[in-house]
Amino acid sequence: EAGVAQSPRYKIIEKRQSVAFWCNPISGHATLYWYQQILGQGPKLLIQFQNNGVVDDSQLPKDRFSAERLKGVDSTLKIQPAKLEDSAVYLCASLWGGGETQYFGPGTRLLVL
Amino acid sequence: GENVEQHPSTLSVQEGDSAVIKCTYSDSASNYFPWYKQELGKRPQLIIDIRSNVGEKKDQRIAVTLNKTAKHFSLHITETQPEDSAVYFCAANTGNQFYFGTGTSLTVIP
Repeated sequence: EAGVAQSPRYKIIEKRQSVAFWCNPISGHATLYWYQQILGQGPKLLIQFQNNGVVDDSQLPKDRFSAERLKGVDSTLKIQPAKLEDSAVYLCASLWGGGETQYFGPGTRLLVL
Repeated sequence: GENVEQHPSTLSVQEGDSAVIKCTYSDSASNYFPWYKQELGKRPQLIIDIRSNVGEKKDQRIAVTLNKTAKHFSLHITETQPEDSAVYFCAANTGNQFYFGTGTSLTVIP
């Protein structure tokens, strides 16, 4: 089966610019996660979707980050405006509704200068 | 919410020796505990998992133990090989929400 797809793989922007990341989960996976992984740390959950509804966005910095999952399939994560501390890898993961194993995408490596 | 602590942060072992990584969690409702291996620049890959109704699980050179009473679980890698060198993350799952440890960088010295 195809895995979780993410794009772009790398992005370099200047602070105060905006950026958007895209994720396509495994077909049929109802749950989708966006994580932020800062170098040397474990993934930190930003937002969790169940179909097109938000389950948890308590750690999403809503003043600058937004995410949506229209039609319960693909998802986009946006940062506007970006700060230096947003430099990280943004991982998308998906999980089948009846399972426990989450599958990660390759991640988008963001560098904010 | 759940809090997962992981130790040690770095671990070096000689090839052929065993490696043990330990995690603790705080939420007794957590019922699924996966372990991920992440090589440099790559995505986390699930290597083994354990559910709360099981005390131990083994897959070839990798084993995981769970002590629900003490709220800790451990990853054991035996007969380590250089290709085991990576960062390992533990996680605890509560209601499809995953909480990750801070990672252990394992180096296997040939």
